[in-house]
Amino acid sequence: GDSVTQMEGPVTLSEEAFLTINCTYTATGYPSLFWYVQYPGEGLQLLLKATKADDKGSNKGFEATYRKETTSFHLEKGSVQVSDSAVYFCALSDGGGKLIFGQGTELSVKP
Amino acid sequence: GAVVSQHPSRVICKSGTSVKIECRSLDFQATTMFWYRQFPKKSLMLMATSNEGSKATYEQGVEKDKFLINHASLTLSTLTVTSAHPEDSSFYICSAHTSGEPKQFFGPGTRLTVL
Repeated sequence: GDSVTQMEGPVTLSEEAFLTINCTYTATGYPSLFWYVQYPGEGLQLLLKATKADDKGSNKGFEATYRKETTSFHLEKGSVQVSDSAVYFCALSDGGGKLIFGQGTELSVKP
Repeated sequence: GAVVSQHPSRVICKSGTSVKIECRSLDFQATTMFWYRQFPKKSLMLMATSNEGSKATYEQGVEKDKFLINHASLTLSTLTVTSAHPEDSSFYICSAHTSGEPKQFFGPGTRLTVL
């Protein structure tokens, strides 16, 4: 079945460092891909999405490109802030609304 | 953006009792609602999918008689954990989806602790 694999955390960075969180997927069809963020004590929020190959999703300085050839959707940010500390989830959807999540990567940004 | 609420946000109950969790879409009609369970430092595990007016579809390994789901209207779904035990303690999250829209809107979650 479809699945999502993320790099393991926790990831600890200093403020203004470059961030990459790897995400790869396995799917039989052509899924949409998402990154969700969960801040401490809050629910999941959609961070960005891409619905087809080569699409780039971006939001709040975060970017991810849908790479069909490598089945990847890595999350990047050029300069992280303390406020970016959260758990990040990569997910895919086959179009029926059902989401399959990766295991989540905890990011901690130190001042 | 669309808002999904959950009630209660936190509940503590005794072993053997039943607990009902509500999920509401406040400003849109949700054709489908999903219920997830999140373990500490783990991903979200989809428990079931419910469509308004029909029976929920449960994922493999999820006991449908233990986790009763009702989706009586386009804005409300409920999850009832029956005869709760300590191993049912977890963070339960719902999400709402409207057909034709690729994304889901998540509720803030309900922390269940069974003593």
